[in-house]
Amino acid sequence: EVQLVESGGGLVRPGGSLRVSCAASGFTFSNYWMHWVRQAPGKGLVWVARIKSDGSTTNYADSVRGRFSISRDNAKDTLYLQMNSLRAEDTAVYYCATGGMQHEFWGKGTLVTVSS
Amino acid sequence: DIQMTQSPSSLSASVGDRVTITCRASQRINNYLNWYQQKPGKAPKLLIYAVSSLQSGVPSRFSGSGSGTDFTLTISTLQPEDFATYYCQETYTPPLTFGGGTKVEIK
Repeated sequence: EVQLVESGGGLVRPGGSLRVSCAASGFTFSNYWMHWVRQAPGKGLVWVARIKSDGSTTNYADSVRGRFSISRDNAKDTLYLQMNSLRAEDTAVYYCATGGMQHEFWGKGTLVTVSS
Repeated sequence: DIQMTQSPSSLSASVGDRVTITCRASQRINNYLNWYQQKPGKAPKLLIYAVSSLQSGVPSRFSGSGSGTDFTLTISTLQPEDFATYYCQETYTPPLTFGGGTKVEIK
């Protein structure tokens, strides 16, 4: 059974940093592109970033480029999102999802709240 | 960046109704168009990928169509468990934009 389990969310002050993780199991993690998608409270889905299966290629939404960094450890079957210079508008549930041309599997998400 | 305009933003329908949701891309996206269903407090679920391919396990009352810039999700006979929010997404080129969502509510 495919499982994606996010962790690391929490409350952080504006300007602060946080790293969220996504532990994968039940599939060959190293074969898949992986993505982060976020959803602010009561709002729609917003794609954040993606990383190629071998980590050689990354892409970002304009709103996070230069502040967020996506990475992966294929030996640990884990995806990461390092978030720096956090703003109130980054408050959201962060989901990891498998990718290629569609997000077949999703985690349950981890809530990141940016507030003073 | 590609913009995805989804309509309507909400609709009210009854069990048994036929429901159609549209998604328009700001430029041609070939067949890189997916549809997701999301229920409150849950992660999204893939329904349709590549415009019209039904994801495994998804009921056949869901179908997708379209080409170029205009796409449609159809629920042929609305069931109680289909009341949810639906999103389209293009995966033609990053950023991989989602539509604004369509909330399907009970009439």
